[in-house]
Amino acid sequence: DQQVKQNSPSLSVQEGRISILNCDYTNSMFDYFLWYKKYPAEGPTFLISISSIKDKNEDGRFTVFLNKSAKHLSLHIVPSQPGDSAVYFCAAMRFNAGGTSYGKLTFGQGTILTVHP
Amino acid sequence: GAVVSQHPSWVICKSGTSVKIECRSLDFQATTMFWYRQFPKQSLMLMATSNEGSKATYEQGVEKDKFLINHASLTLSTLTVTSAHPEDSSFYICSATIPGSVTGELFFGEGSRLTVL
Repeated sequence: DQQVKQNSPSLSVQEGRISILNCDYTNSMFDYFLWYKKYPAEGPTFLISISSIKDKNEDGRFTVFLNKSAKHLSLHIVPSQPGDSAVYFCAAMRFNAGGTSYGKLTFGQGTILTVHP
Repeated sequence: GAVVSQHPSWVICKSGTSVKIECRSLDFQATTMFWYRQFPKQSLMLMATSNEGSKATYEQGVEKDKFLINHASLTLSTLTVTSAHPEDSSFYICSATIPGSVTGELFFGEGSRLTVL
């Protein structure tokens, strides 16, 4: 049961343009969503996150949008740079009854982003 | 930021041997660490939650006798793949969260690529 899905295995974008990476989820109980970036043979690195009570979070060139009714989130990268080329994973987590999380994440399959110069 | 380190980065072994992978939190104490596994072109799959001083919690479908986890100290968790077989070849990644972190943001190790001949 894939609770977090990234239906686009790859995305190719021209440098300077916008990259939009999409993610869908099925579990309405998720409290928090995160995006990670991963280079080959390396561990993922955290990019940006959003709480389920928000619909937008922005950090520099990265903006994450959350549409709870559609169970959909997206990561926008503007402007895209060649160094952004990597695999992007969205992930989701639930908080426990105390309102904290122990970091147990459910990941999507990842989307390979290629930014061409 | 917080640093998590894994060792070794690459390991090649013969079928039937056991391989140990170490995960260390370098600048913080991690009461909980997580072990993930990634197959090519697939998402990161949580294998188990490693708890300092107690038994690990395994996800459904993960053989606890096959993947031994020991979290003997607040900065070290080990994953031992026992009697490894070619199907165990994969990319194994550990992660940890800062204690008390509300968001549960994970910091990942560099990953360990296991190839079983």
